[in-house]
Amino acid sequence: DQQVKQNSPSLSVQEGRISILNCDYTNSMFDYFLWYKKYPAEGPTFLISISSIKDKNEDGRFTVFLNKSAKHLSLHIVPSQPGDSAVYFCAASEPLSFGNEKLTFGTGTRLTIIP
Amino acid sequence: EPEVTQTPSHQVTQMGQEVILRCVPISNHLYFYWYRQILGQKVEFLVSFYNNEISEKSEIFDDQFSVERPDGSNFTLKIRSTKLEDSAMYFCASRGDFGGEQYFGPGTRLTVT
Repeated sequence: DQQVKQNSPSLSVQEGRISILNCDYTNSMFDYFLWYKKYPAEGPTFLISISSIKDKNEDGRFTVFLNKSAKHLSLHIVPSQPGDSAVYFCAASEPLSFGNEKLTFGTGTRLTIIP
Repeated sequence: EPEVTQTPSHQVTQMGQEVILRCVPISNHLYFYWYRQILGQKVEFLVSFYNNEISEKSEIFDDQFSVERPDGSNFTLKIRSTKLEDSAMYFCASRGDFGGEQYFGPGTRLTVT
């Protein structure tokens, strides 16, 4: 039951270039999407999010694009820096009662920035 | 900056034993969660907790699992009789209010032998 998929397990990008990480989903109930970054032996750290009513959200070097008709989102990092090397998880939020939510994660993409 | 903390960082236990994983969520947060990640697999939702009760649980969260918020600060996950397949990283998360993101703790690595 893979409601959120990240088809690239790994990605290598030269420092200074653009990193593009992709994510696909199947559940139309998802109304909010997030990207988390994870270093070894640490918990996921929130990076950026986008509501399903938007198609783009930008925060500094990070931009998330949402194509709702294709059920696809992507994270762009530009310029890529060595400190960006980590595992990136796409997560989709399904609303529950009382303002609560449940996150469904993708399998992650290991990004390596080559100096 | 406020953060979610978890103890212990690593717990080794024998099959059939009970374990309690502890979390201190961010102090003014209202929603609390447990997730787990089996080695090499994705992070999976276990349970969410709001207003002193479970609001949603996954099929993984069977009768062997329970959660408690025994006081105003701690949030615990108990596994009554551990199995080998319970070996995983367990992450606690908390969220402040509607529309905010979930903040994750560093995780507890549970090893069942």
